[in-house]
Amino acid sequence: DTGVSQDPRHKITKRGQNVTFRCDPISEHNRLYWYRQTLGQGPEFLTYFQNEAQLEKSRLLSDRFSAERPKGSFSTLEIQRTEQGDSAMYLCASSLVQDYGYTFGSGTRLTVV
Amino acid sequence: QQQVKQSPQSLIVQKGGISIINCAYENTAFDYFPWYQQFPGKGPALLIAIRPDVSEKKEGRFTISFNKSAKQFSLHIMDSQPGDSATYFCAAYSGAGSYQLTFGKGTKLSVIP
Repeated sequence: DTGVSQDPRHKITKRGQNVTFRCDPISEHNRLYWYRQTLGQGPEFLTYFQNEAQLEKSRLLSDRFSAERPKGSFSTLEIQRTEQGDSAMYLCASSLVQDYGYTFGSGTRLTVV
Repeated sequence: QQQVKQSPQSLIVQKGGISIINCAYENTAFDYFPWYQQFPGKGPALLIAIRPDVSEKKEGRFTISFNKSAKQFSLHIMDSQPGDSATYFCAAYSGAGSYQLTFGKGTKLSVIP
Protein backbone atom coordinates (compact mmCIF):
# COMPACT_ATOMS: atom_id res chain seq x y z
CA ASP A 1 0.00 0.00 0.00
CA THR A 2 1.49 3.30 -1.07
CA GLY A 3 -0.69 5.72 0.87
CA VAL A 4 -3.74 7.77 -0.01
CA SER A 5 -4.29 8.01 -3.75
CA GLN A 6 -6.26 10.77 -5.46
CA ASP A 7 -7.36 11.01 -9.05
CA PRO A 8 -7.08 13.10 -11.12
CA ARG A 9 -4.12 15.19 -9.97
CA HIS A 10 -5.27 18.17 -11.99
CA LYS A 11 -8.63 19.13 -13.47
CA ILE A 12 -9.49 22.16 -15.57
CA THR A 13 -13.17 22.68 -16.18
CA LYS A 14 -15.45 25.37 -17.54
CA ARG A 15 -17.76 27.18 -15.18
CA GLY A 16 -21.08 25.39 -14.90
CA GLN A 17 -19.70 21.92 -15.59
CA ASN A 18 -19.82 19.05 -13.11
CA VAL A 19 -16.64 17.40 -11.85
CA THR A 20 -15.96 14.28 -9.81
CA PHE A 21 -12.83 13.39 -7.87
CA ARG A 22 -11.85 10.02 -6.50
CA CYS A 23 -9.95 9.10 -3.35
CA ASP A 24 -8.56 5.68 -2.45
CA PRO A 25 -7.59 5.63 1.24
CA ILE A 26 -5.07 3.39 2.94
CA SER A 27 -6.80 0.03 2.85
CA GLU A 28 -7.19 -0.61 6.58
CA HIS A 29 -8.24 2.97 7.40
CA ASN A 30 -11.94 3.25 8.22
CA ARG A 31 -12.07 7.05 8.48
CA LEU A 32 -11.92 9.22 5.38
CA TYR A 33 -11.88 13.00 5.20
CA TRP A 34 -12.17 15.62 2.48
CA TYR A 35 -10.52 19.02 2.86
CA ARG A 36 -10.20 22.03 0.56
CA GLN A 37 -7.09 24.19 0.41
CA THR A 38 -6.83 27.52 -1.38
CA LEU A 39 -3.56 29.30 -2.14
CA GLY A 40 -1.82 30.59 0.96
CA GLN A 41 -4.32 29.02 3.34
CA GLY A 42 -4.49 25.95 5.52
CA PRO A 43 -6.76 23.07 4.60
CA GLU A 44 -10.43 23.54 5.50
CA PHE A 45 -12.61 20.63 6.52
CA LEU A 46 -15.39 19.61 4.14
CA THR A 47 -16.71 16.23 5.26
CA TYR A 48 -15.85 12.99 7.03
CA PHE A 49 -16.84 9.33 6.70
CA GLN A 50 -16.51 6.47 9.08
CA ASN A 51 -16.76 3.38 6.94
CA GLU A 52 -19.64 4.15 4.53
CA ALA A 53 -21.46 6.58 6.83
CA GLN A 54 -21.04 10.32 6.25
CA LEU A 55 -20.95 11.57 9.85
CA GLU A 56 -20.05 15.23 9.57
CA LYS A 57 -20.35 17.96 6.95
CA SER A 58 -19.00 21.49 7.05
CA ARG A 59 -21.12 24.51 6.22
CA LEU A 60 -18.57 24.99 3.40
CA LEU A 61 -20.16 21.99 1.71
CA SER A 62 -22.93 23.69 -0.24
CA ASP A 63 -25.77 21.87 -1.99
CA ARG A 64 -23.60 21.70 -5.11
CA PHE A 65 -21.16 19.40 -3.34
CA SER A 66 -21.83 15.75 -2.64
CA ALA A 67 -19.57 13.05 -1.31
CA GLU A 68 -20.03 9.31 -1.17
CA ARG A 69 -18.13 6.35 0.15
CA PRO A 70 -19.92 3.25 -1.09
CA LYS A 71 -18.91 0.04 0.68
CA GLY A 72 -16.60 1.99 2.96
CA SER A 73 -13.66 1.86 0.59
CA PHE A 74 -12.95 4.57 -1.99
CA SER A 75 -14.75 7.90 -1.92
CA THR A 76 -15.92 10.36 -4.54
CA LEU A 77 -16.48 14.09 -4.26
CA GLU A 78 -18.72 15.66 -6.88
CA ILE A 79 -19.14 19.36 -7.52
CA GLN A 80 -22.11 20.34 -9.65
CA ARG A 81 -22.38 23.58 -11.63
CA THR A 82 -18.82 24.60 -10.80
CA GLU A 83 -18.04 28.23 -10.02
CA GLN A 84 -14.73 30.08 -10.18
CA GLY A 85 -14.67 30.17 -6.39
CA ASP A 86 -14.46 26.38 -6.38
CA SER A 87 -10.91 26.57 -7.74
CA ALA A 88 -8.75 24.99 -5.05
CA MET A 89 -6.79 21.91 -4.06
CA TYR A 90 -9.10 19.17 -2.85
CA LEU A 91 -7.36 16.94 -0.34
CA CYS A 92 -8.41 13.53 0.87
CA ALA A 93 -7.07 11.98 4.06
CA SER A 94 -7.63 8.76 5.95
CA SER A 95 -7.00 7.39 9.41
CA LEU A 96 -7.82 4.57 11.77
CA VAL A 97 -10.63 5.14 14.27
CA GLN A 98 -8.20 5.16 17.19
CA ASP A 99 -5.66 7.37 15.49
CA TYR A 100 -5.84 11.17 15.43
CA GLY A 101 -3.07 11.44 12.86
CA TYR A 102 -4.28 11.74 9.29
CA THR A 103 -2.48 10.60 6.16
CA PHE A 104 -3.19 13.00 3.33
CA GLY A 105 -3.12 12.31 -0.37
CA SER A 106 -1.40 14.66 -2.83
CA GLY A 107 -4.69 16.27 -3.73
CA THR A 108 -6.63 17.17 -6.86
CA ARG A 109 -6.05 20.70 -8.11
CA LEU A 110 -9.24 22.09 -9.63
CA THR A 111 -9.19 25.13 -11.88
CA VAL A 112 -12.53 26.55 -13.01
CA VAL A 113 -12.26 28.83 -16.04
CA GLN B 1 -15.43 30.14 17.05
CA GLN B 2 -12.86 27.48 16.37
CA GLN B 3 -9.66 29.16 15.25
CA VAL B 4 -5.97 28.51 15.27
CA LYS B 5 -3.77 31.57 14.71
CA GLN B 6 -0.30 30.94 13.31
CA SER B 7 2.73 33.22 13.01
CA PRO B 8 4.88 34.23 11.28
CA GLN B 9 3.48 33.96 7.78
CA SER B 10 6.97 33.46 6.38
CA LEU B 11 10.37 32.77 7.89
CA ILE B 12 13.90 32.81 6.53
CA VAL B 13 16.56 30.99 8.54
CA GLN B 14 20.18 30.26 7.82
CA LYS B 15 21.34 26.66 7.61
CA GLY B 16 22.10 25.37 11.08
CA GLY B 17 19.85 27.90 12.77
CA ILE B 18 16.68 27.40 14.81
CA SER B 19 13.29 27.89 13.18
CA ILE B 20 10.43 28.81 15.51
CA ILE B 21 6.77 28.88 14.52
CA ASN B 22 4.03 29.87 16.94
CA CYS B 23 0.35 29.05 17.22
CA ALA B 24 -2.45 30.11 19.52
CA TYR B 25 -5.91 28.69 19.95
CA GLU B 26 -9.13 29.65 21.68
CA ASN B 27 -11.20 26.52 21.98
CA THR B 28 -10.34 24.71 25.22
CA ALA B 29 -12.01 21.55 23.89
CA PHE B 30 -9.04 20.98 21.57
CA ASP B 31 -7.11 17.98 22.84
CA TYR B 32 -4.60 17.11 20.14
CA PHE B 33 -2.20 19.45 18.41
CA PRO B 34 -0.35 18.19 15.32
CA TRP B 35 2.07 19.94 13.05
CA TYR B 36 2.06 19.22 9.33
CA GLN B 37 4.76 19.83 6.72
CA GLN B 38 3.75 20.48 3.13
CA PHE B 39 5.97 20.61 0.07
CA PRO B 40 4.73 22.23 -3.19
CA GLY B 41 2.36 19.95 -5.09
CA LYS B 42 2.03 17.52 -2.18
CA GLY B 43 -0.48 16.99 0.57
CA PRO B 44 0.40 17.85 4.18
CA ALA B 45 2.41 15.21 6.03
CA LEU B 46 2.18 14.70 9.79
CA LEU B 47 5.42 15.81 11.42
CA ILE B 48 4.88 15.68 15.17
CA ALA B 49 1.95 16.03 17.57
CA ILE B 50 1.29 16.73 21.24
CA ARG B 51 -1.51 16.43 23.76
CA PRO B 52 -2.20 19.18 26.33
CA ASP B 53 -1.10 17.07 29.30
CA VAL B 54 2.51 17.28 28.05
CA SER B 55 4.53 20.50 27.98
CA GLU B 56 7.15 19.39 25.45
CA LYS B 57 7.69 16.66 22.91
CA LYS B 58 10.84 16.07 20.92
CA GLU B 59 11.38 13.94 17.84
CA GLY B 60 14.80 14.28 16.28
CA ARG B 61 15.36 17.91 15.33
CA PHE B 62 11.69 18.81 15.86
CA THR B 63 10.28 19.92 19.23
CA ILE B 64 6.80 21.05 20.20
CA SER B 65 6.45 23.28 23.25
CA PHE B 66 2.98 23.55 24.72
CA ASN B 67 1.64 26.16 27.18
CA LYS B 68 -1.85 25.12 28.22
CA SER B 69 -2.59 28.16 30.40
CA ALA B 70 -1.65 30.56 27.59
CA LYS B 71 -3.32 28.36 24.95
CA GLN B 72 -0.20 28.52 22.83
CA PHE B 73 2.10 25.99 21.24
CA SER B 74 5.15 26.25 19.07
CA LEU B 75 7.34 24.21 16.74
CA HIS B 76 11.10 24.45 17.01
CA ILE B 77 13.30 23.07 14.24
CA MET B 78 16.87 22.71 15.44
CA ASP B 79 19.84 22.72 13.05
CA SER B 80 17.56 23.79 10.19
CA GLN B 81 18.50 22.37 6.78
CA PRO B 82 17.64 23.49 3.22
CA GLY B 83 15.55 20.30 2.92
CA ASP B 84 13.32 21.65 5.70
CA SER B 85 12.17 24.44 3.36
CA ALA B 86 8.42 23.89 3.16
CA THR B 87 5.14 25.27 4.49
CA TYR B 88 4.32 24.26 8.05
CA PHE B 89 0.82 24.14 9.46
CA CYS B 90 -0.23 23.86 13.06
CA ALA B 91 -3.59 22.30 13.69
CA ALA B 92 -5.93 21.40 16.51
CA TYR B 93 -8.39 18.59 16.96
CA SER B 94 -11.27 17.98 19.26
CA GLY B 95 -12.53 14.42 19.31
CA ALA B 96 -15.58 15.39 21.31
CA GLY B 97 -18.33 15.07 18.71
CA SER B 98 -16.21 16.39 15.86
CA TYR B 99 -13.38 14.76 14.00
CA GLN B 100 -12.17 17.66 11.96
CA LEU B 101 -8.76 19.27 12.16
CA THR B 102 -8.70 23.06 12.36
CA PHE B 103 -5.57 24.36 10.62
CA GLY B 104 -3.59 27.55 10.95
CA LYS B 105 -2.86 29.54 7.81
CA GLY B 106 0.66 28.20 7.48
CA THR B 107 4.24 29.41 7.69
CA LYS B 108 6.48 29.28 4.64
CA LEU B 109 9.97 28.40 5.84
CA SER B 110 13.01 29.01 3.69
CA VAL B 111 16.36 27.71 4.94
CA ILE B 112 19.22 29.36 3.11
CA PRO B 113 22.71 27.84 2.83
